[in-house]
Amino acid sequence: GENVEQHPSTLSVQEGDSAVIKCTYSDSASNYFPWYKQELGKGPQLIIDIRSNVGEKKDQRIAVTLNKTAKHFSLHITETQPEDSAVYFCAATPGGTALIFGKGTTLSVSS
Amino acid sequence: KAGVTQTPRYLIKTRGQQVTLSCSPISGHRSVSWYQQTPGQGLQFLFEYFSETQRNKGNFPGRFSGRQFSNSRSEMNVSTLELGDSALYLCASSPPTSGGFTDTQYFGPGTRLTVL
Repeated sequence: GENVEQHPSTLSVQEGDSAVIKCTYSDSASNYFPWYKQELGKGPQLIIDIRSNVGEKKDQRIAVTLNKTAKHFSLHITETQPEDSAVYFCAATPGGTALIFGKGTTLSVSS
Repeated sequence: KAGVTQTPRYLIKTRGQQVTLSCSPISGHRSVSWYQQTPGQGLQFLFEYFSETQRNKGNFPGRFSGRQFSNSRSEMNVSTLELGDSALYLCASSPPTSGGFTDTQYFGPGTRLTVL
């Protein structure tokens, strides 16, 4: 079955810096890769997603890149702000709704 | 549009008891998935329901079950609770697509279950 590895587990940046979180997946049939942000006491919030027929997608300060050959995808956050502090999860699925999640990255943005 | 709602938000039970959790999806969403989140195992898929039928199932024991009603609301039941069942249980709903098969999921706030 699918396995998703996520790195780093913790990431500390200064406000205004960029943050990059990387994930690798094992199942070449995976075709959907969402990213979620989870704040304390809340459920995961979908922030951006990408499908296997696209190499990059941007939404304001957030971007995701996908390398199907290497089976890895990354989340890029530019101009980080204190409110970006949260746990970020990547996920993958070969289709359907059984998302396989990475272990999460705790991002801390200090002002 | 209102988001996914889950009730109750917090629950305390003792070993051996059973528990039922409820989830109301986003209006118009017919697919509901359940996940268990623990510090050790992370987010793990339990099962998915679509049009009152279980469409997909994760690797959890039979003590974990669910159902979906005609209005797409879903319930999850855990029987004979164990200490290791303490977790945040998350429900997610997915919008319909022309193919009836979708992967975009929107999560609710979760139900925090503590087993003593």
